[in-house]
Amino acid sequence: DAGVTQSPTHLIKTRGQHVTLRCSPISGHKSVSWYQQVLGQGPQFIFQYYEKEERGRGNFPDRFSARQFPNYSSELNVNALLLGDSALYLCASSPGQGGEQYFGPGTRLTVT
Amino acid sequence: QKEVEQNSGPLSVPEGAIASLNCTYSDRGSQSFFWYRQYSGKSPELIMSIYSNGDKEDGRFTAQLNKASQYVSLLIRDSQPSDSATYLCAGFDSWGKLQFGAGTQVVVTP
Repeated sequence: DAGVTQSPTHLIKTRGQHVTLRCSPISGHKSVSWYQQVLGQGPQFIFQYYEKEERGRGNFPDRFSARQFPNYSSELNVNALLLGDSALYLCASSPGQGGEQYFGPGTRLTVT
Repeated sequence: QKEVEQNSGPLSVPEGAIASLNCTYSDRGSQSFFWYRQYSGKSPELIMSIYSNGDKEDGRFTAQLNKASQYVSLLIRDSQPSDSATYLCAGFDSWGKLQFGAGTQVVVTP
């Protein structure tokens, strides 16, 4: 079975621009979570969606938003990009709201 | 105080020896804990999950959980050069958010 997929792999944006990152969960998984990981730190929780509803939000500004589609795939949107948004963005899927989460390969975002 | 704390390392371990990684957490409501392995430039890979007090063994890996002491550990037996990576400890907090430590870098030396 295919694992979690994310697109694009790499992205370079300019300050002030907007970005959309995409994630497809493992088949049968209904929950998708998004994380931001900067160098030298562990992943920081941004959002969790389960059954197309937001079930948790981390300590990130309103410039960050997400949604989950009927096929359980998800998008993470970031508006008005700042240099500090440069990071590895990780998507993880899980069968339910809790339990084991499996990560995709990530999207490396660079903001210049 | 961070929710999940780990020593950053690096932890240098001779090949064939046991690597011992430790993690403490601050939220007494945390119930489920996980260890992830992350190679440089890659995404985290789940290697162990533990939900109840005691030990859980899977191959060369043993996870230990002590909820009274708010302590989680991971032992890697017969360490191999391929075990060289950063190991992330994670646990769900009382609000259902998965919180990660900063990771411990392990270097296995031949």
